[in-house]
Amino acid sequence: GAVVSQHPSRVICKSGTSVKIECRSLDFQATTMFWYRQFPKQSLMLMATSNEGSKATYEQGVEKDKFLINHASLTLSTLTVTSAHPEDSSFYICSARDRVTPTDLYYGYTFGSGTRLTVV
Amino acid sequence: DQQVKQNSPSLSVQEGRISILNCDYTNSMFDYFLWYKKYPAEGPTFLISISSIKDKNEDGRFTVFLNKSAKHLSLHIVPSQPGDSAVYFCAAGWGGGADGLTFGKGTHLIIQP
Repeated sequence: GAVVSQHPSRVICKSGTSVKIECRSLDFQATTMFWYRQFPKQSLMLMATSNEGSKATYEQGVEKDKFLINHASLTLSTLTVTSAHPEDSSFYICSARDRVTPTDLYYGYTFGSGTRLTVV
Repeated sequence: DQQVKQNSPSLSVQEGRISILNCDYTNSMFDYFLWYKKYPAEGPTFLISISSIKDKNEDGRFTVFLNKSAKHLSLHIVPSQPGDSAVYFCAAGWGGGADGLTFGKGTHLIIQP
């Protein structure tokens, strides 16, 4: 089945530094990749949508200059948290969407394993 | 404004009994719904889905029911097993998938031995 690899699984960084999170679709070409953020005991909130070769579309309230998304190829998207602050500490999850057929019950969405970011 | 709501933060069910997890939505544009199982510090794992043109979908121990007029869906797990203990998220999507999924806040299911 479709597999999405997300790295790193956890990272601790100092306040003011930048952190890059990678999301790769291993056995399919992702037409679209999505980035979510989850606070403890909260929902997964969509941050942005990216398509290969074009600028990401950010959800309302998400700072595009803080959360830089690069979707350089059909199998790789990166999220860079710039000038990280303790309030950016969260669980970040990527999702890649494959082309779907009518029988794809999962509707093409495959999720990475997430990245726990802690800013100290 | 939350478009997908899971009003029960937690649910405790005895092993072997039926677990029923509920989800309500407000956006009538959603045309498919998915249920995910999630453990802490892991990504969601797909369980089962349903198209808006159906009212029921079954896969083994898991059945999802959709009531479009009430904008309500439910996930039934029967019989419940200890390995089912996890957080369950309801998610909704629409169109060709250009947009991401909209998730509920999740329900923590605890299966008691």
